[in-house]
Amino acid sequence: DTGVSQNPRHKITKRGQNVTFRCDPISEHNRLYWYRQTLGQGPEFLTYFQNEAQLEKSRLLSDRFSAERPKGSFSTLEIQRTEQGDSAMYLCASSPTGGGSEKLFFGSGTQLSVL
Amino acid sequence: DQQVKQNSPSLSVQEGRISILNCDYTNSMFDYFLWYKKYPAEGPTFLISISSIKDKNEDGRFTVFLNKSAKHLSLHIVPSQPGDSAVYFCAANKYYTGNQFYFGTGTSLTVIP
Repeated sequence: DTGVSQNPRHKITKRGQNVTFRCDPISEHNRLYWYRQTLGQGPEFLTYFQNEAQLEKSRLLSDRFSAERPKGSFSTLEIQRTEQGDSAMYLCASSPTGGGSEKLFFGSGTQLSVL
Repeated sequence: DQQVKQNSPSLSVQEGRISILNCDYTNSMFDYFLWYKKYPAEGPTFLISISSIKDKNEDGRFTVFLNKSAKHLSLHIVPSQPGDSAVYFCAANKYYTGNQFYFGTGTSLTVIP
């Protein structure tokens, strides 16, 4: 299966700790997105990469959050000094450029719980 | 600022009947609309989409209708099946100029056998 892969699936951490999530997109997809979803809400845009370039960031992405996509392949999302409000499902999605770029392919997400 | 709204948090329908899920948007620059389906502990999966140049798109049991003047779209599922029970998200995009997909808050559909 060559779908979008996210690791870990679940992460429990204590407030103040740093966490890092990984996303492996579909191999031929140039675009990669990070979204966050909290209970009762739809996915909220965090950031977007075209190959290795981070082209857009939401104002939701505070300076405690950083995302990278070295070499335009996998991506990591790091949250420093986690807060309880960071508890959410973090979703990664990818899409190709050109035909088919009108839809996102999502991974299963990483559920973060900050205690 | 919620640019895509789904005002019905939940919907229950008998198996075999029609399910109608509604979505409203506020940004007239949106020109592409999608519906996603989400099961618990999984990521959303693409269901069906429609471009603003059309007012209807059909794929099997699923039909999406777009009313641009009302900034409203709906998803019809006929006939509804128990396996359709999931949360459905409406999403919108500015296809040529935007990188963000804006999602609604979702409608939880329960199809009763």
